Amino acid sequence: GAGVSQTPSNKVTEKGKYVELRCDPISGHTALYWYRQSLGQGPEFLIYFQGTGAADDSGLPNDRFFAVRPEGSVSTLKIQRTERGDSAVYLCASSFGQGRETQYFGPGTRLLVL
Amino acid sequence: QQQVKQSPQSLIVQKGGISIINCAYENTAFDYFPWYQQFPGKGPALLIAIRPDVSEKKEGRFTISFNKSAKQFSLHIMDSQPGDSATYFCAASNTGGFKTIFGAGTRLFVKA
Repeated sequence: GAGVSQTPSNKVTEKGKYVELRCDPISGHTALYWYRQSLGQGPEFLIYFQGTGAADDSGLPNDRFFAVRPEGSVSTLKIQRTERGDSAVYLCASSFGQGRETQYFGPGTRLLVL
Repeated sequence: QQQVKQSPQSLIVQKGGISIINCAYENTAFDYFPWYQQFPGKGPALLIAIRPDVSEKKEGRFTISFNKSAKQFSLHIMDSQPGDSATYFCAASNTGGFKTIFGAGTRLFVKA
């Protein structure tokens, strides 16, 4: 079966621009997570969805970052007024539920802000 | 208190040797400790996980040792193979488990 997919795989943008990153979770998974991974570091939690609602967005670094999951499946991470420091790999993961359910990660979107 | 500290940063092991990666945590609310393996260009993949009610869990060549009183846990890879060369992350989460905290990672290289 298909795993978690993320598009685009790579995104180059200029400082100040707006970007959208998409995540297609595994079918049937109700939980969806976004992480950010900087070079040489572990994934850093950004936000978690259970169904359509953001159950915890405490990891979003500031109000330039926003994520939605309107139908409880596909999610979009939106970054406004991008900064060079936003450059990282943005990972999406999904699981059947919360708790100790295995999180399945996508390959990530590599964002480069020039 | 949310940190998970991982060491070493990098590790070189001969084929057939034992690879050992260590992690420590502070938040006693953590009750689920997974290890992830990540290859270049890929997302992390769950390797093995443990709960604090057991001191050891083994799956094939991979073993987690857990010391609750010391708030430390480690991954042992027995008979390490070149195909094990990857970055390994320890992690921790609490009941509810949606907010997983990752260590900084260990880059393992197994020499043939």
